[in-house]
Amino acid sequence: GESVGLHLPTLSVQEGDNSIINCAYSNSASDYFIWYKQESGKGPQFIIDIRSNMDKRQGQRVTVLLNKTVKHLSLQIAATQPGDSAVYFCAENHPFYFGTGTSLTVIP
Amino acid sequence: SAVISQKPSRDICQRGTSLTIQCQVDSQVTMMFWYRQQPGQSLTLIATANQGSEATYESGFVIDKFPISRPNLTFSTLTVSNMSPEDSSIYLCSVEGSRVISLDTQYFGPGTRLTVL
Repeated sequence: GESVGLHLPTLSVQEGDNSIINCAYSNSASDYFIWYKQESGKGPQFIIDIRSNMDKRQGQRVTVLLNKTVKHLSLQIAATQPGDSAVYFCAENHPFYFGTGTSLTVIP
Repeated sequence: SAVISQKPSRDICQRGTSLTIQCQVDSQVTMMFWYRQQPGQSLTLIATANQGSEATYESGFVIDKFPISRPNLTFSTLTVSNMSPEDSSIYLCSVEGSRVISLDTQYFGPGTRLTVL
């Protein structure tokens, strides 16, 4: 499958700060991307998606940015809360191939 | 999103035995997927299971080791055969999204945590 990787395996942020999680992908033909959140003992939960014809998409407190030129995806979480602590995965195409994952820890 | 349940939620098995994991969806879906997630790792796609056809396996996974059934549009099973400790993982069922939102989206079940002794 495609190679999807993350730059940082762990990220710690203070509660209330903004978080940025990055992801690189290798398949330039990929046209659909998703960010998932996985809490301990649970399956991945859909956060937000973006298609390749878009550069940015916003949800509630989350924004996904897509840079096709450098094959880079990022997830921005505004005003990070303790409940945001989880592992975040980016995934491309369908069926999805997953990146390594970034563990986000929110410090109260 | 679809509601997906898996049975069992966890199991501890002896090497050489087999375990069948069930996945039930509350709505009819054409495509179902099985993933493996080893401890502290990302998810790896095992196979895609469409109703009415044989499952399509990813590189490194074979039908003899991971036979899959897909008898109808709401149910699938994955069997982990002749288990060894290396098969200790979380096994996750996933389904395609809805036509209302996006068929490209995938939703995941809670997973089955398998430990092989």
